[in-house]
Amino acid sequence: EAGVAQSPRYKIIEKRQSVAFWCNPISGHATLYWYQQILGQGPKLLIQFQNNGVVDDSQLPKDRFSAERLKGVDSTLKIQPAKLEDSAVYLCASRVGGTVVTFGSGTRLTVV
Amino acid sequence: DQQVKQNSPSLSVQEGRISILNCDYTNSMFDYFLWYKKYPAEGPTFLISISSIKDKNEDGRFTVFLNKSAKHLSLHIVPSQPGDSAVYFCAAGSSGSARQLTFGSGTQLTVLP
Repeated sequence: EAGVAQSPRYKIIEKRQSVAFWCNPISGHATLYWYQQILGQGPKLLIQFQNNGVVDDSQLPKDRFSAERLKGVDSTLKIQPAKLEDSAVYLCASRVGGTVVTFGSGTRLTVV
Repeated sequence: DQQVKQNSPSLSVQEGRISILNCDYTNSMFDYFLWYKKYPAEGPTFLISISSIKDKNEDGRFTVFLNKSAKHLSLHIVPSQPGDSAVYFCAAGSSGSARQLTFGSGTQLTVLP
């Protein structure tokens, strides 16, 4: 079974620029999550999708972050404009039933 | 408001000995708990879980204990191996909600040869 695919692996941008991350979950996994992990902290949920609908985006900074999962499969997370404090690893994860969430390798974003 | 806390940022253990990683939670709605292991430049990988209806779950060298009255869980690794060196995250979820995981801040385990 293929895992959760994410790209790019690394991205360096200047503050106020925009950036987008892509995620393809495990086939058949209806639930998709985006997490933000700042160095030294645990992953923090940004948004949760069920198929192509948003279940929870209460912790997504909507003035600069947006996410979509138009066809209920892959998803993109965008930041515009980026701030220095957005430097983090962005993790995509998926789940099919049960409790176990499977993570991708993440995208490490550095904002300079 | 940290609902899941891992108070030890780091732990060093000798190879072959027991590693004990601790986790505390505050939200009484949490009814399942997972441990994840994370190597550098990789995403967290699932290790072991426990439901609130149990107080112990074992899988090979890994055992998780849950003390609901104290809102505390621990992960025991025995015997510890150098390949176990990683960051370990405790995570909690509620089956009555959207099934989201709330993570602790992690513990860096170093197993010394």
